[in-house]
Order: sequence, then C-alpha cells, then structure tokens
Amino acid sequence: KAGVTQTPRYLIKTRGQQVTLSCSPISGHRSVSWYQQTPGQGLQFLFEYFSETQRNKGNFPGRFSGRQFSNSRSEMNVSTLELGDSALYLCASSSVVNTEAFFGQGTRLTVV
Amino acid sequence: AQSVTQPDIHITVSEGASLELRCNYSYGATPYLFWYVQSPGQGLQLLLKYFSGDTLVQGIKGFEAEFKRSQSSFNLRKPSVHWSDAAEYFCAVGGNTGGFKTIFGAGTRLFVKA
Repeated sequence: KAGVTQTPRYLIKTRGQQVTLSCSPISGHRSVSWYQQTPGQGLQFLFEYFSETQRNKGNFPGRFSGRQFSNSRSEMNVSTLELGDSALYLCASSSVVNTEAFFGQGTRLTVV
Repeated sequence: AQSVTQPDIHITVSEGASLELRCNYSYGATPYLFWYVQSPGQGLQLLLKYFSGDTLVQGIKGFEAEFKRSQSSFNLRKPSVHWSDAAEYFCAVGGNTGGFKTIFGAGTRLFVKA
C-alpha cells in the first residue's frame, strides 16, 4: 500500500510569487491535513479537508488556502510568498476521524 | 484551549541507557494521544497512540507510553536506547471536535552518545 505522496519534494520561489503543493493520500483515506514546520514555530496546523470540505483551519493568513478533489488528493496554495513562509510543509492522511495521521515526507519550500 | 507541552527541548542519553520523554497536554474532552518520531529531512512516523483502555501503551521500536489522566501526562519511555533512536520526538493530542485536528508539542531532540 503506497504511503502519502507529496510533490514536489523541494521548491525554491521568489518573494511575491505563489506556489502550489500537492498531496496524494493513502488509498481509501478521505481526511487530509496540512502542517507547516519551522525551527522557530514547530509543527503548526494549517487546515484539514474531508470529502472536499474544509473542516478545520489553523491560525494562518488568507494567503494560505487549500482544496481537496473528489479522489481525496489535496493541494495547498500560498500566494504572495514571504520569506517567513520558508518551511517544511507536511501533509497527513487518515482514514477515520481521530485516528492516527500518516505523514508524507514533506515539501521543503524556500523563499528567496 | 488545546495544547501540548514538551518541557525538554533536547535530551542526551548514553546508548543502552533508559529514556523518558515528558509530555503534558491540555484538552477539554477525552484526548487521543500520540507520539511521533521524525528523522532529519523526513516526515513523521507514528510510534504509538492512546485512545482508551489500558493506560500503558506499547508501540513500535520498543517504545511505550503511559497515560496519566490525573497528571495530564503521556510520557514516552524506552528501557534501552540504541544509537538509531537519535531523532526528534513529538507528542500530539487530537480529539472529536467535529473534524480531524492534531496539535503537536514543540518536540524533543534526542541525542545518543556512544
């Protein structure tokens, strides 16, 4: 059974640009969550999608958005990139509400 | 408010010695508790989880954790540490709040010395 797949693994963007990150959950998993990990702030919850609906949202500005498709794949978009958006973005999927999350290897975003 | 506190930013233990990583949580309802491990440049791997039942939970790689409701703690233990255990460990709490949302602690970096 394939794990959670995140693409791309590494990304370099310029300030002011926008970026889209992709996450393919484990087959059969309908919940997809996104996290931002930085040395200073640790792991911070961005949002969670279930059956194409956003159910939970963390405390991030509106520049961070996401969506989920009917096949449960999810994308995260960050517009007007800032230097502080440089981070490891992790996606996690789960099969049933409140069971463990299975994480992908993350996308390392660097904003220059 | 939901929160997780891992009071130790980093811990150094000798190979073969025992390990205990501390975790305290704040949660308004019955918590679901997790410990994850992260190696450099990698995603997170679940070590163990507690939902209900026996308060002593066994996980992978020889780890165990004990849920103590009275102390709001969920400490991770291992009787004998191996050099390959060097990594960052995250305690996390989640629950039935109308959606799946896991709150992570700041992490504890484990160093293992020969």
